[in-house]
Amino acid sequence: DAGVTQSPTHLIKTRGQHVTLRCSPISGHKSVSWYQQVLGQGPQFIFQYYEKEERGRGNFPDRFSARQFPNYSSELNVNALLLGDSALYLCASSLATGGKSEKLFFGSGTQLSVL
Amino acid sequence: EDQVTQSPEALRLQEGESSSLNCSYTVSGLRGLFWYRQDPGKGPEFLFTLYSAGEEKEKERLKATLTKKESFLHITAPKPEDSATYLCAVYNTDKLIFGTGTRLQVFP
Repeated sequence: DAGVTQSPTHLIKTRGQHVTLRCSPISGHKSVSWYQQVLGQGPQFIFQYYEKEERGRGNFPDRFSARQFPNYSSELNVNALLLGDSALYLCASSLATGGKSEKLFFGSGTQLSVL
Repeated sequence: EDQVTQSPEALRLQEGESSSLNCSYTVSGLRGLFWYRQDPGKGPEFLFTLYSAGEEKEKERLKATLTKKESFLHITAPKPEDSATYLCAVYNTDKLIFGTGTRLQVFP
């Protein structure tokens, strides 16, 4: 079975540009979450989507947005890129939301570099 | 505010030298404590979930334990392939709150 897939794997952008990152969850998983991981830090929560609705949002500016499609895949969009947005962006999927055992399965991430 | 603190930041072990990693947490109502392994340039890989004080889980050379304030990841007779960053996280409503991780290096 395929795991969580993310594209692209690497991306280089310049300040002020826009970026779209894509994620396909494990088959049967309806919840997708996005995390940002800066080098040397643990992942930080950005968004959670379940059944195409936003169920949670972390402490990130409005430049960050996301959506989930009917096939449960998801996109993360970041506008007006800043140097500080350089990080590994991780997508994770799980079976459901709000349950006790929200075991998240992570993709390999998209490494974003902003120059 | 929910918080997770891991120690040490880095750990160097000789192959076969057992040790423990610590994860201290403060959370309003624990709904699960998670351990993940992360290799460079990869996403975190699930290891264990613990739910209540006194619970223990094992997988190969790894054993995770949980108290009301902290969790330990014990590594018995580690091998070089155990080298990775080990992340601890607590689950809160809609997200995992991660610590900064312990970077483990095991030398032959």
